[in-house]
Amino acid sequence: NAGVTQTPKFQVLKTGQSMTLQCAQDMNHEYMSWYRQDPGMGLRLIHYSVGAGITDQGEVPNGYNVSRSTTEDFPLRLLSAAPSQTSVYFCASSYYRGSTDTQYFGPGTRLTVL
Amino acid sequence: AQTVTQSQPEMSVQEAETVTLSCTYDTSESDYYLFWYKQPPSRQMILVIRQEAYKQQNATENRFSVNFQKAAKSFSLKISDSQLGDAAMYFCAYRSDYSDNYGQNFVFGPGTRLSVLP
Repeated sequence: NAGVTQTPKFQVLKTGQSMTLQCAQDMNHEYMSWYRQDPGMGLRLIHYSVGAGITDQGEVPNGYNVSRSTTEDFPLRLLSAAPSQTSVYFCASSYYRGSTDTQYFGPGTRLTVL
Repeated sequence: AQTVTQSQPEMSVQEAETVTLSCTYDTSESDYYLFWYKQPPSRQMILVIRQEAYKQQNATENRFSVNFQKAAKSFSLKISDSQLGDAAMYFCAYRSDYSDNYGQNFVFGPGTRLSVLP
């Protein structure tokens, strides 16, 4: 049981480049989400999914795309990287609802956009 | 929309002493959950403790306990017998229990950086 895994751990991009951050979980969680963490601002929700084929926007979705073709995987795509997207990105998963729906986080990806 | 405030950007505590981290939140909902997460230098987010709003009893996990004041919308974390391994960033988080808000239902505070002095 690996929990939530993210790849890569570190990435440097040039402005305008595109890339995909990978996220996978093996706990059969329905709910998955992507956050970005910036100094002094905590974690802010980018996109989320409540099941395969269902995604929606969070607080800061601009410049990012997601899809959920399987329960396990929830990749985050940067379409045209900008320096403002320099951040640490966390993927998280949990059961959809219920009293035990604590979120489990991946180890994070540190992204730098030059 | 809900907001979470942590008014102490940095705190320090002597090893073996007790420290309390503050968290306040703003919501009009009556059913929700509150969490404290720890983020050590490894960046991994680790759940420390959770509290259901409908429970009056304060949650406790070993050396970690909370003081949940629902009317005051306050949720502080007390760490007893502080250890060097407790040094980390601590985030307070709010989760709505209403499906309409599910997309926004985890709201995090800005964090408090805790240093433990030997």
